[in-house]
Amino acid sequence: DAKTTQPPSMDCAEGRAANLPCNHSTISGNEYVYWYRQIHSQGPQYIIHGLKNNETNEMASLIITEDRKSSTLILPHATLRDTAVYYCIVLLAGNQFYFGTGTSLTVIP
Amino acid sequence: EPEVTQTPSHQVTQMGQEVILRCVPISNHLYFYWYRQILGQKVEFLVSFYNNEISEKSEIFDDQFSVERPDGSNFTLKIRSTKLEDSAMYFCASRGGQGRVQPQHFGDGTRLSIL
Repeated sequence: DAKTTQPPSMDCAEGRAANLPCNHSTISGNEYVYWYRQIHSQGPQYIIHGLKNNETNEMASLIITEDRKSSTLILPHATLRDTAVYYCIVLLAGNQFYFGTGTSLTVIP
Repeated sequence: EPEVTQTPSHQVTQMGQEVILRCVPISNHLYFYWYRQILGQKVEFLVSFYNNEISEKSEIFDDQFSVERPDGSNFTLKIRSTKLEDSAMYFCASRGGQGRVQPQHFGDGTRLSIL
């Protein structure tokens, strides 16, 4: 069963912030939330991860709700190169990643 | 920035033949993984490897598959007696040993085509 729920697709205007939501209502206390993206058929690219505090790096920001049941990945100024499938992943018991269907983000000129 | 490299980028093999996919993980990483992605489908976990042994494997990873770390740098996936349905992108990943929270870093994959 999928551990996360994401909208199948989203559009974003170039230069605007892209906000990608993810629901992970069954997350346990010590599970982290990871975000990856996949451009065409390239390998998944790591973006960011977090436990409960908001996180920011050079690529994106991650906002996790206080109850940890959902999170939002923010790309502050989307470019055409950000067009990709974005995956929200909760680390399962063991160390395998479960990739769902993700959100296909299209950045529009 | 260090990266995971995979060779070849594209492998074409006759059905029934054996194929070896090669990966060079990031040099100080300790955990290694193989995933596959059939065209148009999800990325699926195959196997994880740590301390020279398999630590976890999925139902897909049956006796047809094996992994090996033959030296200090390479990590290989062998598929014996390939079938048409083995055609897919195969991704290798690695992560550091500083706890389970460290992210996995993926290579750009090998496209395997079985004829």
